[in-house]
Amino acid sequence: AQSVTQLDSHVSVSEGTPVLLRCNYSSSYSPSLFWYVQHPNKGLQLLLKYTSAATLVKGINGFEAEFKKSETSFHLTKPSAHMSDAAEYFCVVSGAGNTPLVFGKGTRLSVIA
Amino acid sequence: NAGVTQTPKFQVLKTGQSMTLQCAQDMNHEYMSWYRQDPGMGLRLIHYSVGAGITDQGEVPNGYNVSRSTTEDFPLRLLSAAPSQTSVYFCASSYGTGRKETQYFGPGTRLLVL
Repeated sequence: AQSVTQLDSHVSVSEGTPVLLRCNYSSSYSPSLFWYVQHPNKGLQLLLKYTSAATLVKGINGFEAEFKKSETSFHLTKPSAHMSDAAEYFCVVSGAGNTPLVFGKGTRLSVIA
Repeated sequence: NAGVTQTPKFQVLKTGQSMTLQCAQDMNHEYMSWYRQDPGMGLRLIHYSVGAGITDQGEVPNGYNVSRSTTEDFPLRLLSAAPSQTSVYFCASSYGTGRKETQYFGPGTRLLVL
């Protein structure tokens, strides 16, 4: 069975400073990993995904994540935070076949002017 | 191309009432699913469908019923609403059932059960 742990429930950064949102996963199979973003009162939108190709994945709005098998991690980063990045971020893992996705509990990112 | 649509956007129910949350997609996606989102809990899967006529239970199916008569529609029925079902409900779809597929989410339905 697969699981995902988002290590911080809330992260606060100043505008223009780097963003780091941490995610560790557990999977019996070679996983696919995703980051989704949810802006207030909106649905979820895909930021980026890892599907066993390049370990450094680039997404929308300047975000990227690195798959590290040895550390079972898939941390999300951005060099410089923008006010519009304030949102809830979810790390998601999928396993083999048709097994449903497993969502982390989310990390709320606040960006301070 | 409207993507994934959900109705209603907001609903208030009394305990014991029943209702149906509607979900439709116009992308010809095979896979559709329902999640509920509660504070600090992330998204939890209620039911999912891998194609018309095929449904299965997710992590938290009790108190909910689904059917999939067409590719486009995947309604979620609350049989007898309880305050514990107060939540935000999201419908999602994807092209295939493979684990690499991107999920497309609707805007959500906020449900309050009194």
